[in-house]
Amino acid sequence: KAGVTQTPRYLIKTRGQQVTLSCSPISGHRSVSWYQQTPGQGLQFLFEYFSETQRNKGNFPGRFSGRQFSNSRSEMNVSTLELGDSALYLCASSSGQGGSYNSPLHFGNGTRLTVT
Amino acid sequence: AQSVTQLDSQVPVFEEAPVELRCNYSSSVSVYLFWYVQYPNQGLQLLLKYLSGSTLVESINGFEAEFNKSQTSFHLRKPSVHISDTAEYFCAVSKSVNTGFQKLVFGTGTRLLVSP
Repeated sequence: KAGVTQTPRYLIKTRGQQVTLSCSPISGHRSVSWYQQTPGQGLQFLFEYFSETQRNKGNFPGRFSGRQFSNSRSEMNVSTLELGDSALYLCASSSGQGGSYNSPLHFGNGTRLTVT
Repeated sequence: AQSVTQLDSQVPVFEEAPVELRCNYSSSVSVYLFWYVQYPNQGLQLLLKYLSGSTLVESINGFEAEFNKSQTSFHLRKPSVHISDTAEYFCAVSKSVNTGFQKLVFGTGTRLLVSP
């Protein structure tokens, strides 16, 4: 089985712009979770989607949004980019409810976003 | 609230030496604990997990972790490390959220540096 695929791998944007990141989960996985990883804050949970519905949301401003399509692929969007949004954005898929004890997360290699 | 503390941000060790990466959790209910590993420029990979049963769990590459309820710890150990074990290691706990679902809460990570 192919793993979780995230595109693009690297992205450079300027302040005020918006960006869309894409994630293709492992075939058969219906849950997709998004995390932001920074040296200062570590791994922070953004949100989780299951069958096109957002089930969990972390403590991020409304500029961060996401969606999931019927084929389980997911996108996350960040509008009005700020310098502090520079981070590695990780997507993870799981067969059931993401993060639960019986549905481990499988991570992609991430998209590194740099905001200048 | 469930949370995870990784006491060491960085652990330097020589090749073939033993290593212990510490993880403590706080929870008043049953917990499910995980160790993930992140190699440079990659996403996270599940290393091992404790759900129930035997308190000692092992991974396929020689790591083991012991769940200690009285000390609320889940330390990761390896008797003899290799250069290829150089990576960042994250301890995580499965946390119940208000919506009734669960999500993973990660520690801040421990960077293991193995030198010859």
